[in-house]
Order: sequence, then structure tokens, then C-alpha cells
Amino acid sequence: DGGITQSPKYLFRKEGQNVTLSCEQNLNHDAMYWYRQDPGQGLRLIYYSQIVNDFQKGDIAEGYSVSREKKESFPLTVTSAQKNPTAFYLCASSTGTSGNTIYFGEGSWLTVV
Amino acid sequence: EDQVTQSPEALRLQEGESSSLNCSYTVSGLRGLFWYRQDPGKGPEFLFTLYSAGEEKEKERLKATLTKKESFLHITAPKPEDSATYLCAVPNQAGTALIFGKGTTLSVSS
Repeated sequence: DGGITQSPKYLFRKEGQNVTLSCEQNLNHDAMYWYRQDPGQGLRLIYYSQIVNDFQKGDIAEGYSVSREKKESFPLTVTSAQKNPTAFYLCASSTGTSGNTIYFGEGSWLTVV
Repeated sequence: EDQVTQSPEALRLQEGESSSLNCSYTVSGLRGLFWYRQDPGKGPEFLFTLYSAGEEKEKERLKATLTKKESFLHITAPKPEDSATYLCAVPNQAGTALIFGKGTTLSVSS
């Protein structure tokens, strides 16, 4: 089945540790996104990529990094510089930008311990 | 600044009690308004896209409508399985990503 796969579903991070969230899609979509969701908050854009080997910062990129080496994959690294990383992270993709429908993965929960 | 505001934040209905959710936006040159449903602990599921004022779309007990400044999601005779958070979103000014409202959490009791 076509879709977006995020892993792991649950992840625990120790203080000062970097962690990487995986996102893979087999929809042949060009654009991919990472959003963060906190309780009572809307989704906030971390990074997006419109094409392989190119990505742009979103509204809350500080403390995060991404790569886009393959069309299917858009991993997100939460670095130790991110002071409040506990949140629900959502990866998404679309056929392009400019108002195209975006489709989401099932999300990854990150907790700092 | 582009903004999307949803109201109410929470809505409790009895089964069969129809109501509407509101989404207002300030982005100019709208290139689509999107509605999603999100169940707890899950990613948002796409419901509808509306592109022009006056447009309507329906799916089961849900009907979405669009004016120049807002959209409504009408829920007719809801059932408990309609309980979820409903999110609306619009493209940002650059058209590079979607801006989301904070959502309306709907609870339908039998």
C-alpha cells in the first residue's frame, strides 16, 4: 500500500543527546514536510523540502536538522540545541507545493527523560 | 501575518444533534482551504479541499462550505465515531506549506 511511514512511534531522549526520526514515503511525492504538534497547539512547520537535495527552514527550525538525499526519505534530527523537544512529530508529503493536498504519516512521539 | 482561527476549541454534542465548526483565515489570494480529521495519537486524515467561495463538498455526515473569509464544517446527525479533532489549513503566502489552525475537538455522546 502507498503511504508515509514514520519510525519509531515512540522515542525517549536523554538530555544532551541527538535523535533522528525516520520518514519514508512511497507515493512518489516531490515535496515532504516535518511538523511539530504540542497539546492544545496547532501544527507548526519545522522544515520542508520541495525537491531532492534541497530543503528550507519553516517557522520553528532552531534545534532541528534534516536531509533529503533520496526522494522517498526525509529524516529529521532533533539536536541537543532543541531545549523543549517533547512533542508529537508529523511527517507529510505532497505532489508539489502551491496549495496541493498534503498527506500525513502516523506520527512519532518524542519524550525527554 | 497569515492566520487560521478555529472555533469553538471544543464542542460536545449528543448523538443526532447537528452543529457547525468554523474556520476563519486572513491569508490573501487563497489557493485552497483544507479540512482534516485527527484521532488521538494519529496523524491527520485528509477530508476536503475547497478552492472558491460558494463551493461545497460532502462526505457522509460532513459538509464543508467556503466563503471569502471563512469555512464551515457542518456535521449532520453526528455519531460517536465522529468524535475527533478537526483541523483546517490554508497555504502560506509563498504557497510552500500549509498553515494550520489549533483545531476543534468534537465529542459526540450516545
